[in-house]
Amino acid sequence: QSVLTQPPSVSGAPGQRVTISCTGSSSNLGAGYDVHWYQQLPGTAPKLLIFGNSNRPSGVPDRFSGSKSGTSASLAISGLQAEDEADYYCQSYDSSLSHLYVFGTGTKVTVL
Amino acid sequence: EVQLVESGGGLIQRGGSLRLSCAASGFIVSNNYMSWVRQAPGKGLEWVSVIYSVGNTYYADSVKGRFTISRDNSKNTLYLQMNSLRAEDTAVYYCAREADYGDYRFDYWGQGALVTVSS
Repeated sequence: QSVLTQPPSVSGAPGQRVTISCTGSSSNLGAGYDVHWYQQLPGTAPKLLIFGNSNRPSGVPDRFSGSKSGTSASLAISGLQAEDEADYYCQSYDSSLSHLYVFGTGTKVTVL
Repeated sequence: EVQLVESGGGLIQRGGSLRLSCAASGFIVSNNYMSWVRQAPGKGLEWVSVIYSVGNTYYADSVKGRFTISRDNSKNTLYLQMNSLRAEDTAVYYCAREADYGDYRFDYWGQGALVTVSS
């Protein structure tokens, strides 16, 4: 049961900019915990894409950017490319008793 | 180079038990927080369990009392003992390393091990 909500799908033409939202609550994003983003290509393990709200690991193109404000966060992909077609998940920490590490519901990005 | 390699997945009957292993290289498992994350077919990611460097363990409500996370320091390997398996436990199970204490981000993932629970 995911406690971070994402849109099921977003799409865009090559070169366009798309954004994915991630909505949490006062026990996770609203409590000040950072949000991280993962990209999962078909049939592969997730890969860390953005950490600490807006930081990119080495090797991740600067087309990917992240931000966080209050109980929401977003991932933006600018200059959309065919290889960006994948599932994207936000993730954070939750301070309530029944949750620790929480993931978003996931968003499928389709390049038209 | 950091690597995580899972093994032990397979087909198991409902109510049965299975143990997953995650062999690590390039770092010391006992110095890191290590988690298991699963993904049911066609579904999203679900955190399952974590073991801290000091040995504390925590579980998602969905597996509490049935799954046990552990590690063997001499083998640099993480384990997940799964008992009383249910159909809803069918998933690909990934082991993942937390980048730093209290960081909550997973910087390295294994390739995954498929567990199928038949009814």
